[in-house]
Amino acid sequence: DIQMTQSPSTLSASVGDRVTITCRASQSISSWLAWYQQKPGKAPNLLIYKASSLQSGVPSRFSGSGSGTEFTLTISSLQPDDFATYYCQQYNSYSPTFGQGTKVEIK
Amino acid sequence: EVQLVESGGGLVQPGGSLRLSCAASGFTFSDSYMDWVRQAPGKGLEWVGRSRNKANTYTTEYAASVKGRFTISRDDSKNSLYLQMNSLKTEDTAVYYCARSVGGHDYGGLGVLDYWGQGTLVTVSS
Repeated sequence: DIQMTQSPSTLSASVGDRVTITCRASQSISSWLAWYQQKPGKAPNLLIYKASSLQSGVPSRFSGSGSGTEFTLTISSLQPDDFATYYCQQYNSYSPTFGQGTKVEIK
Repeated sequence: EVQLVESGGGLVQPGGSLRLSCAASGFTFSDSYMDWVRQAPGKGLEWVGRSRNKANTYTTEYAASVKGRFTISRDDSKNSLYLQMNSLKTEDTAVYYCARSVGGHDYGGLGVLDYWGQGTLVTVSS
C-alpha cells in the first residue's frame, strides 16, 4: 500500500492566519490526491481533488498544490469554521489510503 | 439532494457477524461506485472496500485488513449498499461510513469520495 504522511499532526493558529498542511506519499501518485475536512462527530467533507481542484461549494480560501510525492493544503485566511481535522487521501492505487490527519486548533 | 444513510451498527461479540446497510438517494445509484470507510474511536480514516457498478459487473475490492471476512453487496432496485461483516475482531470497532466514489476525466483516477453518510457505530466487545 501507498503510505501517506501528513505534517504537522497538530497545528495551533489564530483567525486570519495563513495555514499550510503538508502530505507526502511513499511513492509517486501523480496528481491523484484529495483533501477532506472533518469536524467532531461528523463525516468528512471533500475540499480538493486532483491535488488542486476545488470542490463545488468550498470557499476559495482553500487551495491545494503539488504532484508526485509532495502536496500542500493552504487556507489563506483561517476562519472560525475552519477549526477541524484535515486528511489527505491518495487514489492512485486500487487501495486508497489516507494520511493520519492534521488537527487545526485555536491558538 | 444527495443523501446516504447508514444503519445496522451496534454491539457484537468477537467472532460475531453484523450487516450494515446504506440507503442512497438524490443520484443515480446504479451508475455509481460506492465505498465503505471506517474510523476507529479517536483515530484516522481507513478505506474498507468498494463496489463497482453494473457496467463493471459489480466487482468488489477490499482492504487487506478485512479481506475474507467482509463482503460488500448492493441492490440497485432498492438503491442500497451493504457490508456483511463476519469473524469480527475488537479492532473492527469503528464508525463505518458509506461514500460515493467518483473518477474519470475531471477527477483523474477513481476514488474521490464526494458524498458521505453520517456513519454507524460498530462496537466489537465481550
